[in-house]
Amino acid sequence: DAKTTQPNSMESNEEEPVHLPCNHSTISGTDYIHWYRQLPSQGPEYVIHGLTSNVNNRMASLAIAEDRKSSTLILHRATLRDAAVYYCILRDVGGGSTFNKFYFGSGTKLNVKP
Amino acid sequence: DVKVTQSSRYLVKRTGEKVFLECVQDMDHENMFWYRQDPGLGLRLIYFSYDVKMKEKGDIPEGYSVSREKKERFSLILESASTNQTSMYLCASSLQGTTDTQYFGPGTRLTVL
Repeated sequence: DAKTTQPNSMESNEEEPVHLPCNHSTISGTDYIHWYRQLPSQGPEYVIHGLTSNVNNRMASLAIAEDRKSSTLILHRATLRDAAVYYCILRDVGGGSTFNKFYFGSGTKLNVKP
Repeated sequence: DVKVTQSSRYLVKRTGEKVFLECVQDMDHENMFWYRQDPGLGLRLIYFSYDVKMKEKGDIPEGYSVSREKKERFSLILESASTNQTSMYLCASSLQGTTDTQYFGPGTRLTVL
């Protein structure tokens, strides 16, 4: 399974944009890029996902490099409630027996300062 | 909203006890998963199920078994709990498909004494 690399931690100021990077140099053509986050004392929650094009939703934006070897999750205005561990995950939909398995790494712990 | 519930938030058991962790989802999802989460190790997949009575081993199935008798319910069983099974256990569910967003429950923090 293709792996991802993320910084262990990042810090941001409240109401400023945050760019969370993820490297996935061994990504295959059929890998979707998913982002989840885990707030303290909760289970992970879905943030956004994409394949090739940049994506936007109400929570965040996902910028995918042209060669797809890296991506960036963008929180446009960080709030204190965005303090969480953010996971970048590759999901292979190319068939076989993966059966929707996700591989969570250690993620990036985002600290938001007031 | 999708809801995944787990039977307990906190559980304390003794070594050698049989432990049942229950997970229920209300969105008719085909896939259900059990993970454990430990500091520094992230989430690791224990077992998953893609249909009633169907199961597949994840990355760390040793010491665990599962049961899925109904579509909405997926149980994780520790036949004889050991101290190294002290962990946070997370259940998730998803529809089958290319987007297959996983929806997680709140987790059960299990302590084995």
